[in-house]
Amino acid sequence: QSVLTQPPSASGTPGQRVTISCSGGSSDIGNNYVYWYQQLPGTAPKLLIYRSNQRPSGVPDRFSGSKSGTSASLAISGLRSEDGAHYYCATWDDSLSSPDWVFGGGTKLTVL
Amino acid sequence: QVQLVQSGAEVKKPGASVKVSCKASGYTFSTYYLHWVRQAPGQGLEWMGIINPSGGSASYAQKFQGRVTMTRDTSTSIVYMELNSLRSEDTAVYYCARGGDQYGAGPKDYWGQGTLVTVSS
Repeated sequence: QSVLTQPPSASGTPGQRVTISCSGGSSDIGNNYVYWYQQLPGTAPKLLIYRSNQRPSGVPDRFSGSKSGTSASLAISGLRSEDGAHYYCATWDDSLSSPDWVFGGGTKLTVL
Repeated sequence: QVQLVQSGAEVKKPGASVKVSCKASGYTFSTYYLHWVRQAPGQGLEWMGIINPSGGSASYAQKFQGRVTMTRDTSTSIVYMELNSLRSEDTAVYYCARGGDQYGAGPKDYWGQGTLVTVSS
């Protein structure tokens, strides 16, 4: 069971805006930056968002991240068929003596 | 260009050890931390730990402490992840991923291609 809670699935039609949530606590999201990754089947994860709302170069501005308190969200606007993938949030968990990097359970996004 | 190239697939018996390598190129090896992340078949991502290639210090996820060791060879720009006392639940794809130039960054924009480790009797 993941420290960070994501909905297992989400869906949208081309052109729509979809949001994926990530819920945590005071020792993880509440105290640290959040990262978001996209993973297509059979490939390594790809970084979409770091420091809660920063996009690496090459990531379209259709992808945006936000954080408020102990929750974070990834928004995808102008949904495209190629956005169908698994999405993971992640951050540090400071609750233990040595911080662990923790991932959410992942959200499978289906483009209808 | 930055590349992380991992060693090939492994098949191990329960109780054995596996050592996966990750060769970095295209940047100054000692500058960026490296993470190890694994993914069991059909499951999510799981962080195993992080190593500082500069000094060699490593920090491991609570779940793997005592069973995992991360090392590096600066002469070849290779980072190694060794996992001991393998069990069937360790069957997974293991990834190395470059972090930031400070400890606080998570896995970022360069990942290895993944190494499948299968544990089976």
